[in-house]
Amino acid sequence: DGGITQSPKYLFRKEGQNVTLSCEQNLNHDAMYWYRQDPGQGLRLIYYSQIVNDFQKGDIAEGYSVSREKKESFPLTVTSAQKNPTAFYLCASSRGTGTHEQYFGPGTRLTVT
Amino acid sequence: DAKTTQPNSMESNEEEPVHLPCNHSTISGTDYIHWYRQLPSQGPEYVIHGLTSNVNNRMASLAIAEDRKSSTLILHRATLRDAAVYYCILRDHDDMRFGAGTRLTVKP
Repeated sequence: DGGITQSPKYLFRKEGQNVTLSCEQNLNHDAMYWYRQDPGQGLRLIYYSQIVNDFQKGDIAEGYSVSREKKESFPLTVTSAQKNPTAFYLCASSRGTGTHEQYFGPGTRLTVT
Repeated sequence: DAKTTQPNSMESNEEEPVHLPCNHSTISGTDYIHWYRQLPSQGPEYVIHGLTSNVNNRMASLAIAEDRKSSTLILHRATLRDAAVYYCILRDHDDMRFGAGTRLTVKP
């Protein structure tokens, strides 16, 4: 089946450690996105990528880094510089701009203590 | 960025229609109106989108005002599985900004 996978579903880390969240899609979509969601809040855009080897910062990119070496993969690294990393992280993809819907993965819940 | 305004919460009875409003008075001519919904601890799910004309699909209908400054998502017969947070979003280029959405409660 086509779709987006994120792993793991739950992730626990100690403060000061970098952690990389996985996002893979087999929908042949050009665009991929990372969002963060805090309890009771809407989604906030971290980074997005329109094409391989290119990505742009979203509204809350500080403390995060991404790479887009392959079309199907868009990993997100939460660095130790991110002050409040505990959150629900969602990855999405779409074929392109405004007319196209985004497909979301199941999310990774990251807890940093 | 053009923003949207939605009520924080709404209630509906099962098997009755639900009209979820969204105001977007600063919408630009190239913004598409997208609706998504999110169940607890899951990723958002696409519902419907449109530009100027009303749209229908198997999940819902989207009614867009003539001046495009507001829109309404219509669920024709609410079920318990429709209980979720519904987001109205304007999308132009590649990025998409989510607000707080409307939490829909469906009563049996």
